[in-house]
Amino acid sequence: NAGVMQNPRHLVRRRGQEARLRCSPMKGHSHVYWYRQLPEEGLKFMVYLQKENIIDESGMPKERFSAEFPKEGPSILRIQQVVRGDSAAYFCASSHRETSYEQYFGPGTRLTVT
Amino acid sequence: DAKTTQPPSMDCAEGRAANLPCNHSTISGNEYVYWYRQIHSQGPQYIIHGLKNNETNEMASLIITEDRKSSTLILPHATLRDTAVYYCIVRVAPGGTYKYIFGTGTRLKVLA
Repeated sequence: NAGVMQNPRHLVRRRGQEARLRCSPMKGHSHVYWYRQLPEEGLKFMVYLQKENIIDESGMPKERFSAEFPKEGPSILRIQQVVRGDSAAYFCASSHRETSYEQYFGPGTRLTVT
Repeated sequence: DAKTTQPPSMDCAEGRAANLPCNHSTISGNEYVYWYRQIHSQGPQYIIHGLKNNETNEMASLIITEDRKSSTLILPHATLRDTAVYYCIVRVAPGGTYKYIFGTGTRLKVLA
């Protein structure tokens, strides 16, 4: 019973490049959440998606960031033209349904922008 | 902003109970209290949740005050592997979504 999977686990990008982070939710889960964690800080909510729909993107920066959760395949968090301030750990969580009691988190992707 | 307040750090002797407090004075009647922990830089791990009654599972117990303005997570016999950052979260449901608002948590160090 695989948990939430994220890849890559570590990603290094130069300033100006694009970063693509992937998240495969737990089997049977159709709700995905993305969070960002800066060093020594708590996690910050970014976006909540269901299959083919963005439900809440109130935590997403207005520019350069986008997310999708297609009918088939993993959820993708895309960061265009990365800057040093984007360096962080990005965690994905999934739940069975919107009112499910808990979200299950993946191991995270650590993005380093050089 | 987080709706919870936690002490930044605590120490606990191995084998003793660890009691982690959390204040959530503005909690609404239909909002649950959740506890997660993050070991090193791994993904947060679910521990327990509750609404108004005390709860217990194989990992911990959750005591919620009658007025629901605060709660305590109890790890009955702390081990070195319980060293982690513990987050108390009030599950916020504005507009029908259930996102977590994380605070800075309590860094628990279990001492040998």
